[in-house]
Amino acid sequence: KNQVEQSPQSLIILEGKNCTLQCNYTVSPFSNLRWYKQDTGRGPVSLTIMTFSENTKSNGRYTATLDADTKQSSLHITASQLSDSASYICVVSLDTGRRALTFGSGTRLQVQP
Amino acid sequence: ETGVTQTPRHLVMGMTNKKSLKCEQHLGHNAMYWYKQSAKKPLELMFVYNFKEQTENNSVPSRFSPECPNSSHLFLHLHTLQPEDSALYLCASSQESEAGGASYYEQYFGPGTRLTVT
Repeated sequence: KNQVEQSPQSLIILEGKNCTLQCNYTVSPFSNLRWYKQDTGRGPVSLTIMTFSENTKSNGRYTATLDADTKQSSLHITASQLSDSASYICVVSLDTGRRALTFGSGTRLQVQP
Repeated sequence: ETGVTQTPRHLVMGMTNKKSLKCEQHLGHNAMYWYKQSAKKPLELMFVYNFKEQTENNSVPSRFSPECPNSSHLFLHLHTLQPEDSALYLCASSQESEAGGASYYEQYFGPGTRLTVT
């Protein structure tokens, strides 16, 4: 069964600190992996998309890594800000169809002053 | 904003009511989606419309009825819902090619409709 597991389920950090969120997947055949940020009461917004041939991609203070061999990805947030408080969702795409997306349950991040 | 709007943002309805959710995308995309997001669960894909044709229906109960009159508008008609249908309903759109291929199409989400069934 295709699955995406994210850890931790929730995380509290102080403003200015760094953090790393994890994503493990069993999806096969793999096409690409995405990280989304979802603010409370809003829809998800894409942060990064990586294909199997990419092992790192940055978007400002967000850096995603991908190890297609171990089927693991991480999202590193540098110098966190209060506005980073949100849920971060890992989404893995199958290479068998245009809309075959498998979603993780997300990591709820809270940045405190 | 993402260019995808949804109305209403909040909806409370009884189990015998009939209501509709509306989604509009201003991005010129040709594919639209309905997702259900329940607390602490992954997003669940409900329906997909590609070039105005419904191409996927992921075993969704018939009390949910989608309608896509054109490539910019998507509706979800609701009737005789159950309390367990209470969730955030998200609409998304993307631009897909007719040739298909690897699923690399970026999806843009609306803000969602928070539905409560009493």
